[in-house]
Amino acid sequence: QVQLVQSGAEVKKPGASVKVSCKASGYTFTSYGISWVRQAPGQGLEWMGWISAYNGNTNYAQKLQGRVTMTTDTSTSTAYMELRSLRSDDTAVYYCARDWASAYWGQGTLVTVSS
Amino acid sequence: EIVLTQSPATLSLSPGERATLSCGASQSVSSSYLAWYQQKPGLAPRLLIYDASSRATGIPDRFSGSGSGTDFTLTISRLEPEDFAVYYCQQYGSSPGTFGQGTKVEIK
Repeated sequence: QVQLVQSGAEVKKPGASVKVSCKASGYTFTSYGISWVRQAPGQGLEWMGWISAYNGNTNYAQKLQGRVTMTTDTSTSTAYMELRSLRSDDTAVYYCARDWASAYWGQGTLVTVSS
Repeated sequence: EIVLTQSPATLSLSPGERATLSCGASQSVSSSYLAWYQQKPGLAPRLLIYDASSRATGIPDRFSGSGSGTDFTLTISRLEPEDFAVYYCQQYGSSPGTFGQGTKVEIK
């Protein structure tokens, strides 16, 4: 069965970076992309970007351009999302999902940014 | 960027009633690439509908999606107790893959 398992919760100080992992199993990793979506406390869903696991092509939300990098490691079927220069309003649960309009989501990773 | 506006923000209904949720797009959604998700507290979103009207695997037939262009609808024919949740639409026809702000379906 398809599974996406994310890394654990993180607490970071403002200005720091965070890297969240998303390990995929149960399907051919390079046949699908990975989307990243975040949700601030009590708020709605925000699309962050998408990466092709086939060739590494990326598509980022404009508001995060320059602060976010999405990568994949096909040898371990793992996708990564790094967010730099963290601010308090980056506090959110970060989700990975398989491709678009996905039935397959990770369990979410809470990233807390606090001094 | 395509902006999705969901209405109403909150829908107060009783079990057994019909729920109609709307999602309006600021521009036409390419190829009806519109999805609906259900989310409950502390959980990841659950895909209900993709391509505007196709039910995802395992989704009960009381959930149906319709629409094209700029106007889309999610209908729940008879609300079950487990259907009270927040519902989001998302377009994936053009980048960025924007979400609506959500509609909360609460028990009246």
